[in-house]
Amino acid sequence: SQQGEEDPQALSIQEGENATMNCSYKTSINNLQWYRQNSGRGLVHLILIRSNEREKHSGRLRVTLDTSKKSSSLLITASRAADTASYFCATPPFSGGYNKLIFGAGTRLAVHP
Amino acid sequence: ETGVTQSPTHLIKTRGQQVTLRCSSQSGHNTVSWYQQALGQGPQFIFQYYREEENGRGNFPPRFSGLQFPNYSSELNVNALELDDSALYLCASSLSVDEETQYFGPGTRLLVL
Repeated sequence: SQQGEEDPQALSIQEGENATMNCSYKTSINNLQWYRQNSGRGLVHLILIRSNEREKHSGRLRVTLDTSKKSSSLLITASRAADTASYFCATPPFSGGYNKLIFGAGTRLAVHP
Repeated sequence: ETGVTQSPTHLIKTRGQQVTLRCSSQSGHNTVSWYQQALGQGPQFIFQYYREEENGRGNFPPRFSGLQFPNYSSELNVNALELDDSALYLCASSLSVDEETQYFGPGTRLLVL
């Protein structure tokens, strides 16, 4: 079963625009992580936000977390063609096992030059 | 590059056969997790190995089994292959079971005919 559900499933934008992806989850969490996957290959860890944090930045990435709504968003500012990838949110089980992640189905982002 | 390697990169098998996939973890990492990613879906946790012992398992049948060796490299074995086993198999290593961040390999794409 999947904990997170990303929205939208697919997103198509022009270079320079901002891309926003949302993730909703079902149970309590310790942290929420975002990963990127290029062309069905390995996943790259982007950012981790803990349950007591509301916002976090890393370069052009901004992640927010609203535990009352059980949702998170990933904002990529000034998108580039190289940002074209699938993006997944993932959470570890609340009971423990930080690296036994439960992933959502992902958002497929296409950034056009 | 994460330093996690997997072999082979691609594999074609027929239904009923057995397959072994290999993962070499990042130097110093004693924890390896395996994930199955069906086409268009997010990865699903199969199991985790910590210091050569299984340390948690997802909702996968016993025909999915694994090993971890003293150098912390790992194998995933799947017996009696079924068509639905066709997927990208990802391994991820982390410094320890308590580490929140894990590093993914590029994956092995398995096709079962």
